[in-house]
Amino acid sequence: GAGVSQSPSNKVTEKGKDVELRCDPISGHTALYWYRQSLGQGLEFLIYFQGNSAPDKSGLPSDRFSAERTGGSVSTLTIQRTQQEDSAVYLCASSTERTGGGPTRETQYFGPGTRLLVL
Amino acid sequence: AQSVTQLDSQVPVFEEAPVELRCNYSSSVSVYLFWYVQYPNQGLQLLLKYLSGSTLVESINGFEAEFNKSQTSFHLRKPSVHISDTAEYFCAVAYKGGNKLTFGTGTQLKVEL
Repeated sequence: GAGVSQSPSNKVTEKGKDVELRCDPISGHTALYWYRQSLGQGLEFLIYFQGNSAPDKSGLPSDRFSAERTGGSVSTLTIQRTQQEDSAVYLCASSTERTGGGPTRETQYFGPGTRLLVL
Repeated sequence: AQSVTQLDSQVPVFEEAPVELRCNYSSSVSVYLFWYVQYPNQGLQLLLKYLSGSTLVESINGFEAEFNKSQTSFHLRKPSVHISDTAEYFCAVAYKGGNKLTFGTGTQLKVEL
């Protein structure tokens, strides 16, 4: 079946512009994650969505970052007034969630990422 | 806060030699542990994970990792590597019942002839 898809695959923007990154999770996956991978860094958790529950936004680095998930499926990560330090690969992942034990025991399936370059 | 340390950023090794990629984590509470792999020009994919039970877990392509609670480690090993194992390997940890994975900075495994 189809995996996690992300668009665009590459995005070049000018400092100060807003960007939107899209993630289409695997059908039926209720959990959706956004991560950021900067050069020489590990993957940094940004935000987690689970069904209709309030998202866990604890990883968002500033109020310039926001995300939404419409209809429990597609998600959009928005970065306002981009800065050069926002340049990174933004990864989306989805997973199922069994009852009990939390979502993190489940395998996360990653998309190919969006490579963002802020000039 | 959780943290994951992968001390080796790069590990060069000759084909058919054994390899160990080290991973240590900071948390002392119950955790789940994972190794993810990123092959060249591909997305991240799960290699293996420890949830509970036997402390030794194996992948389908010959890798294994052992959960050592006293040393808070989850090192990845393979007795004989192949060229196709060339990739970046990420160790990750999560609290049981938590919402997120915390990843290490990755280890680039380069297998040479």
